[in-house]
Amino acid sequence: KAGVTQTPRYLIKTRGQQVTLSCSPISGHRSVSWYQQTPGQGLQFLFEYFSETQRNKGNFPGRFSGRQFSNSRSEMNVSTLELGDSALYLCASSLAYEQFFGPGTRLTVL
Amino acid sequence: GESVGLHLPTLSVQEGDNSIINCAYSNSASDYFIWYKQESGKGPQFIIDIRSNMDKRQGQRVTVLLNKTVKHLSLQIAATQPGDSAVYFCAENFSGYALNFGKGTSLLVTP
Repeated sequence: KAGVTQTPRYLIKTRGQQVTLSCSPISGHRSVSWYQQTPGQGLQFLFEYFSETQRNKGNFPGRFSGRQFSNSRSEMNVSTLELGDSALYLCASSLAYEQFFGPGTRLTVL
Repeated sequence: GESVGLHLPTLSVQEGDNSIINCAYSNSASDYFIWYKQESGKGPQFIIDIRSNMDKRQGQRVTVLLNKTVKHLSLQIAATQPGDSAVYFCAENFSGYALNFGKGTSLLVTP
């Protein structure tokens, strides 16, 4: 079975821009979660989608948003980028509690 | 300015020794816990999980212990190998399938 894929793997943006990251879950998985990983804050939960509905949301500003499509693929969007948004963004898919992570998208904001 | 990085606790062990990595969790209502291993440049990889109705679970070379009284998890790795060098995270489920992660411990295995 193919694992979780994330595109792009690396991205460089400037402050004020917006960015969209994509995640394709493992086939059959209906839950997709997003996490932000930084050296300063570690791994922090952003949101979880299940069957196209946002089921949980972490403590991030409204500039961070996401969605899930009918094929379970998910996107997250960050608008008005700030330097502090530089991070590794990880997507995880699950059938139940065990989450399988993708390799992440490394976002650098200049 | 520059962000201050997390000062990850580091555990250094010799190859062949056993390793014990500890973690404190915050939510006494959590019913599912999981350990992940993250190597440089990769996403976290599942190691072992445990439900709150258990206090011990064993896998291949790994054992997880859960002490709900003091909200403590530990991961034991037997006969540690160089390939075990990585950052290890504990995580607790808090809602749906969403996870709260601990800060991580860096394990360094020396020959």
